[in-house]
Amino acid sequence: GAVVSQHPSRVICKSGTSVKIECRSLDFQATTMFWYRQFPKQSLMLMATSNEGSKATYEQGVEKDKFLINHASLTLSTLTVTSAHPEDSSFYICSAPIAGEYEQYFGPGTRLTVT
Amino acid sequence: QKEVEQDPGPLSVPEGAIVSLNCTYSNSAFQYFMWYRQYSRKGPELLMYTYSSGNKEDGRFTAQVDKSSKYISLFIRDSQPSDSATYLCAMVNAGKSTFGDGTTLTVKP
Repeated sequence: GAVVSQHPSRVICKSGTSVKIECRSLDFQATTMFWYRQFPKQSLMLMATSNEGSKATYEQGVEKDKFLINHASLTLSTLTVTSAHPEDSSFYICSAPIAGEYEQYFGPGTRLTVT
Repeated sequence: QKEVEQDPGPLSVPEGAIVSLNCTYSNSAFQYFMWYRQYSRKGPELLMYTYSSGNKEDGRFTAQVDKSSKYISLFIRDSQPSDSATYLCAMVNAGKSTFGDGTTLTVKP
């Protein structure tokens, strides 16, 4: 099946700093990518839809100035957590669908810890 | 009320048992019904999907959809310790997925 990678897999940063997470579709092009956040023992919460060549669409309650999304190419989307705080600590997962298919291919996730 | 409700679990069963995982939904616009498996600290992986009422079988796994009742199930036959994971149902409408909260399954040898 299709492969989606994320980098880094784990990151620890200090409060107030910014962290960038990359999501790449390795063997297909993705005009759309999704960014999710997952708290322990909870489901995936959709944060935003990343669109290649246009602005991301954010879900209600998600601060677009705090979670900056850039879909730089057909295989790369980045999520930057700006001025991170301990409450931003979470598991961030991206996914990408192949055009015309309903299946989403998930990345392995990035564990962010803000100290 | 959430659009997708999933039986919370956790479930603990002996090896070889039949497992039933269930979700209900309220939005009749959902078109596709997915089941994902997620191992600890990993991204979800798709197990099965279906778009119509009825059963779909893949090896030891059977996905069942009842659109009239807005109810979906995943059955695992002859469960194995390697099936121990969190199972997420997801419903898709217009390309956007809505996930259940997940059910954690432990299969004991």
